[in-house]
Amino acid sequence: KQEVTQIPAALSVPEGENLVLNCSFTDSAIYNLQWFRQDPGKGLTSLLLIQSSQREQTSGRLNASLDKSSGRSTLYIAASQPGDSATYLCAALGQNFVFGPGTRLSVLP
Amino acid sequence: GAGVSQSPSNKVTEKGKDVELRCDPISGHTALYWYRQSLGQGLEFLIYFQGNSAPDKSGLPSDRFSAERTGGSVSTLTIQRTQQEDSAVYLCASSPVWRLGISGNTIYFGEGSWLTVV
Repeated sequence: KQEVTQIPAALSVPEGENLVLNCSFTDSAIYNLQWFRQDPGKGLTSLLLIQSSQREQTSGRLNASLDKSSGRSTLYIAASQPGDSATYLCAALGQNFVFGPGTRLSVLP
Repeated sequence: GAGVSQSPSNKVTEKGKDVELRCDPISGHTALYWYRQSLGQGLEFLIYFQGNSAPDKSGLPSDRFSAERTGGSVSTLTIQRTQQEDSAVYLCASSPVWRLGISGNTIYFGEGSWLTVV
């Protein structure tokens, strides 16, 4: 059974810092690894999807990497802004999407 | 539609009552998922519909929970004899292909139905 964990559970940083969010999964037989953002009281918004054959994906200030063999993915956020404050979830796609518990990010102005 | 639509957005019900939650996926999406998220917790998989195949019900927590998908589109999640521990936000999502693993397949979420059982 796939299990997904995320570290740290919460993170508070001053504006402008670069930061890394970590995601680990136990079963490396995945098709995709996807990162989402969830704002309070809202649904999930997809940020980046990395296919199993890929190593990383980039979108603006976001960069996600995938190392299937070690069961790890990282989300790198450059030059963080207060608007980045949200919960970030990763999901490993095998037979269905298994989500991690999320990292709550607060970027202080 | 433009996105995944869920209704009601908020529901307060008395313990023991039945509730129905509705999900209207993105037009043309063949896969539909239900997840539950309790306060401060991660997403818990409930059920997955894929095309015309039998749904994956492995995540339903008890026989009080059931879901159906009519005509390959709209889905209804039904919770019978609600309990206080059923209080959560119920998220519906859809994706464009039913075969997981197709390159670039991604999942789109609705805003959720917030259920409070009192």
